[in-house]
This record gives sequence, C-alpha cells and structure tokens, in this order.
Amino acid sequence: DQQVKQNSPSLSVQEGRISILNCDYTNSMFDYFLWYKKYPAEGPTFLISISSIKDKNEDGRFTVFLNKSAKHLSLHIVPSQPGDSAVYFCAASDRKTNAGKSTFGDGTTLTVKP
Amino acid sequence: GAGVSQSPSNKVTEKGKDVELRCDPISGHTALYWYRQSLGQGLEFLIYFQGNSAPDKSGLPSDRFSAERTGGSVSTLTIQRTQQEDSAVYLCASSLAGSDLYGYTFGSGTRLTVV
Repeated sequence: DQQVKQNSPSLSVQEGRISILNCDYTNSMFDYFLWYKKYPAEGPTFLISISSIKDKNEDGRFTVFLNKSAKHLSLHIVPSQPGDSAVYFCAASDRKTNAGKSTFGDGTTLTVKP
Repeated sequence: GAGVSQSPSNKVTEKGKDVELRCDPISGHTALYWYRQSLGQGLEFLIYFQGNSAPDKSGLPSDRFSAERTGGSVSTLTIQRTQQEDSAVYLCASSLAGSDLYGYTFGSGTRLTVV
C-alpha cells in the first residue's frame, strides 16, 4: 500500500512558465509534508515543507499548497528555470507517532526547456 | 564534516557475497536514516536510528539486512548473501534530534550492483 503517490512520472515545461507537481497521500495521520529535489548522482536535497495546520507555504519561486480534505499537495515553481530540471520527491510524516520518519513518493522528473 | 558522507560511492559484488556500506552523518545530528532507491522507484525506508533509542528496523526487507550505529555517529549497513534484487542506490541521511522539520540531509548514496 503506497501511502504517498506521485502519479505523474514526468513533466516538461517551457522556461519562464509555471511548473506544477502533484502529490496525493492516503494516511490521514500525516501532518507534515516535504518536497525534495534530486539531481543525478546526488542525494535528494530539502526544498520546502508545510505543516498540516497551514494550507500554503511560500519560499521564493517555490510554493507548496496543501488540501487536507482531498489529501493532496502540490508544488508550484514560478518562473521555471532550466536549473530546476531534476527529480522532485514528495514526502510525508506522522510527527505525533513517527516523528522524523518520512514516507516518500516515487518522484516526478521535471524538465524545463530553454 | 560539512555533509553526510557515504562510502563506497559504487560497489559491484557477486551474488551471494556480503557487503558493507558506510555512512558518516553530520556532526551533532542524532538521527540517522537508511533508504534505498531501486531503478525507477521512490525512496524505500530501511532503518532509523535516534540517539540511544532502539532503532526502528521496520523497513528492512529481510534478515539478510542489518545495520548498526557506533558511538552515535558512523553507521554501517550490512547485506549478507546479496541477491540481484538488492541492486539499488542506498542513501543515508541525518537530521537534528529525529526531526524532519527542515528535512533530512542526504549523502550522495552508494550504488550497489549485484551481478
């Protein structure tokens, strides 16, 4: 049972446009959500997070939206740049009972075309 | 060190042999995690160490897998009698006090190939 799902394996956008990466989860106990970015031959790097008490968190060009009723979150990148091309992983944790242990999705490969 | 260090970066081994993968976390990070990523898959949780607490081993796929963490710092993941399905990138991460508040810091991983 995959508790964190990223249904789009890949996404291609033009430089300067918006990239929207989606993530769905099934475990209603998850209360903290994170996005990581991964370049080839490197480990994932933390990008942005959101607590379940919020519905939006913004950091520069990156914004994460959380819809708890739909158990859905999305990462918006505006404007997209070629350097954003990477694999993006969504992760979630239940901080009350499993503080610190994250469950990851399969990732979405983003390609930003110049 | 400045980041999480993993060694070796690449390992090719014959089926049936044992392998040891090493992880040096960031100094002062009390939590250490092992994940693995098989080809085309997401990150699969293996094991989690937090301070002096008993490790969470719930993700280890079989009893061929074991891990230890000595002195609250360096960790070694051991795979005995390796099988081809063990081929994957093994990622180690660390964080402060078991919190994922600012995410984990990952190493670059060990790419294990079992032939």
